[in-house]
Amino acid sequence: GNSVTQMEGPVTLSEEAFLTINCTYTATGYPSLFWYVQYPGEGLQLLLKATKADDKGSNKGFEATYRKETTSFHLEKGSVQVSDSAVYFCALSGAPITGGFKTIFGAGTRPFVKA
Amino acid sequence: GAVVSQHPSWVICKSGTSVKIECRSLDFQATTMFWYRQFPKQSLMLMATSNEGSKATYEQGVEKDKFLINHASLTLSTLTVTSAHPEDSSFYICSAPTTSGGWAYNEQFFGPGTRLTVL
Repeated sequence: GNSVTQMEGPVTLSEEAFLTINCTYTATGYPSLFWYVQYPGEGLQLLLKATKADDKGSNKGFEATYRKETTSFHLEKGSVQVSDSAVYFCALSGAPITGGFKTIFGAGTRPFVKA
Repeated sequence: GAVVSQHPSWVICKSGTSVKIECRSLDFQATTMFWYRQFPKQSLMLMATSNEGSKATYEQGVEKDKFLINHASLTLSTLTVTSAHPEDSSFYICSAPTTSGGWAYNEQFFGPGTRLTVL
């Protein structure tokens, strides 16, 4: 079945450092890939998405490229800020052949950014 | 973007009582909604898929008689935790997908969550 594996941490960074959170997936068909972010005390919100191979999603300085050959969707940001401290979830949503809307989440990664 | 609300945002109840949590899509219709459970510092665990006009589909290991789901309209799904016990204490989150652009997008809009504490 479909699954998502992401690095868990802990991840501690200094402000303005480069952030990478690895995410790999297993899926049949052609899933859509997402990064969701959960700030302290808030619900999940979509950070970025990619719906086909080689697509690059980007938002708020974060980027991720859908790599079918390596089944990966790593999240990157060139210069993190303290305000980026949150939990980041990699997720996939199946193609119609595998069930449509159902979303599978990774375990979540919580980078801690020090000032 | 689309907005999903949940009510209540937190609830404390005694063991053995039932608790109802509402999930509403405020500015769009949702024939499908999802209910998740999130344990502290862990990922979301899909509990069930709520389908408007038909029975919910439960994930393996989720007790359908304990977690009753009713999708009463195109904008409302409810989760009732029956005969709650302390081990049911958790953060419950609902979501609804958008079908904008077709199946490929499948973006989920999440409610803010409901924190249930069973004493």
